[in-house]
Amino acid sequence: AQSVAQPEDQVNVAEGNPLTVKCTYSVSGNPYLFWYVQYPNRGLQFLLKYITGDNLVKGSYGFEAEFNKSQTSFHLKKPSALVSDSALYFCAVRHQGKSTFGDGTTLTVKP
Amino acid sequence: GAGVSQSPSNKVTEKGKDVELRCDPISGHTALYWYRQSLGQGLEFLIYFQGNSAPDKSGLPSDRFSAERTGGSVSTLTIQRTQQEDSAVYLCASSKREEGNTIYFGEGSWLTVV
Repeated sequence: AQSVAQPEDQVNVAEGNPLTVKCTYSVSGNPYLFWYVQYPNRGLQFLLKYITGDNLVKGSYGFEAEFNKSQTSFHLKKPSALVSDSALYFCAVRHQGKSTFGDGTTLTVKP
Repeated sequence: GAGVSQSPSNKVTEKGKDVELRCDPISGHTALYWYRQSLGQGLEFLIYFQGNSAPDKSGLPSDRFSAERTGGSVSTLTIQRTQQEDSAVYLCASSKREEGNTIYFGEGSWLTVV
């Protein structure tokens, strides 16, 4: 069985500060890992993914994520948060044809 | 098309009526998924198609829910005898192996059962 955990329901940061949204996973084997963002009343938008290669993955809107195999983590980061980054963020893992999403983390960036 | 297209975008229906939700995936995407999301909540997996077959129907919440896919393209999710607890956003998504199986989502169909 595979699973994804986003331990924080809510993350609050001030604009201009770095942000981290945490994700850990459990899967036997090598996973594909994804981050999605959902703005209010919209569908999920793909941000970035890790399949293989460099552990640091860069994606849309200045976001990046680091794959850490030993800690089974794939935390989403951004060096300088914007108010417009406020949204619901989902981490997902795909393995052997099955995709599993985390419960989501609401990011609020305050001016 | 350029993205996953879903219709209707909004549907208000009376309890007990049947509804059909349509999904048109990205052209060439062989895999198609349906998820359900209650207000501000996480994603609930409903069903997955590979081509026209559904190897995983494990998420359908009851026998009132069914889905089909024809021609390896358009899919319809049908909810019979709707109940108020069916009110949610129904998200469709598609993917293909050549793109690393990245799942791309539509904007959703917002269903309200009154």
